Amino acid sequence: EVQLVESGGDLVQPGGSLRLSCAASGFTFNIYAINWVRQAPGKGLEWVSYISSSSSTIYYADSVKGRFTFSRDNAKNSLYLQMNSLRADDTAVYYCARETYSYSHVGSFYYSYMDVWGKGTTVTVSS
Amino acid sequence: QSVLTQPPSASGTPGQRVTISCSGSSSNIGSNTVNWYQQLPETAPKVLIYSNNQRPSGVPDRFSGSKSGTSASLAISGLQSEDEADYYCAAWDDSLNGWVFGGGTKLTVL
Repeated sequence: EVQLVESGGDLVQPGGSLRLSCAASGFTFNIYAINWVRQAPGKGLEWVSYISSSSSTIYYADSVKGRFTFSRDNAKNSLYLQMNSLRADDTAVYYCARETYSYSHVGSFYYSYMDVWGKGTTVTVSS
Repeated sequence: QSVLTQPPSASGTPGQRVTISCSGSSSNIGSNTVNWYQQLPETAPKVLIYSNNQRPSGVPDRFSGSKSGTSASLAISGLQSEDEADYYCAAWDDSLNGWVFGGGTKLTVL
């Protein structure tokens, strides 16, 4: 079964740090890019970060740039989100999501989408 | 404030057809394909439409997507009670170098 399982969510004080993990199984992990997407309580989806299959390209949302670091270990089929200088507005469910990238010969264009999502892990930043 | 703009709510009765709009700009919808995600209560999002109008296997053909210029829309025909969920549009933004989402539309089946 194709699966992503997040872990590491916890209650942490403002200014603290946390490391989230995402374990992949059931597919060839090292050919897929992965994203982190978060959802604050009662709010919509917010993209956090992207990492390419080889880790050569990493992007961050402005809201986390300089505080979060996304990495992956293809030998362990795992991804990590190191979160530092946490703030109250980082409180959210964090999902990791696999990104499929392909080419449409009909329209001659590339497309990508998040096709596999984990169930999420909850991060609460509060004193 | 989300980069992509969706109506916060939509509703319809069983059997009706409803549409949800998604408005963006030249750097996101205008340049890249649009995906739609469905999030049932207390669950993770699931891809409903990818590449503007493609359905993954298992998604009923009651769901359809379209895109024109810097806008996109999701149509749901033959509305069913199990369609009650939050729906999000998303596209890659070339200026931000990241995915952007709409604020989400809560669909209520009356």
